[in-house]
Amino acid sequence: NAGVTQTPKFQVLKTGQSMTLQCAQDMNHEYMSWYRQDPGMGLRLIHYSVGAGITDQGEVPNGYNVSRSTTEDFPLRLLSAAPSQTSVYFCASSYGPRDEQFFGPGTRLTVL
Amino acid sequence: GNSVTQMEGPVTLSEEAFLTINCTYTATGYPSLFWYVQYPGEGLQLLLKATKADDKGSNKGFEATYRKETTSFHLEKGSVQVSDSAVYFCAPKLWSGGYNKLIFGAGTRLAVHP
Repeated sequence: NAGVTQTPKFQVLKTGQSMTLQCAQDMNHEYMSWYRQDPGMGLRLIHYSVGAGITDQGEVPNGYNVSRSTTEDFPLRLLSAAPSQTSVYFCASSYGPRDEQFFGPGTRLTVL
Repeated sequence: GNSVTQMEGPVTLSEEAFLTINCTYTATGYPSLFWYVQYPGEGLQLLLKATKADDKGSNKGFEATYRKETTSFHLEKGSVQVSDSAVYFCAPKLWSGGYNKLIFGAGTRLAVHP
């Protein structure tokens, strides 16, 4: 049982480049979320999914796309990276809406 | 709207000192309450939780009690260790926008010195 896994751990992009941050969980959780963590701001919700085929926006969705074709995977896509997207990104999952969220180890992204 | 306010850090303590990290929240309902901990270079881990008023969550010597009347969930530990050095996040889980979601505080960095 690997829990929540994220790849890559580190990434450097140039402004305008695109990339996909991968997230997978093997706990059969329906709920999955993406957060970004910036200094002094805690974690902010980018997008979330309540099950395969269902996604919705969080607090800071602009510049990011998601899809959920399977229960296990929830990739986050940056279409055209900007320096303001430099952050640490965490994926999380939970079984139900009031249950504990399990977090992945994070991806540290730098956009130059 | 829904929000959470945490004590600003950093908090610097000597080993075996008593720890309190204050957390208050505003919410329209009765959220579940969580404390998460983030050790250096790692993701967030659940430290403890409480799901209804007067519940006490506890783990690894840490405790927090769900105080509905003061909308607070302060984190305490009687005797901290160097290994407790980390960032601590208070996070109510609220119904918002059709989804139960965690609202994170800004985090409180704790540094414990021998």
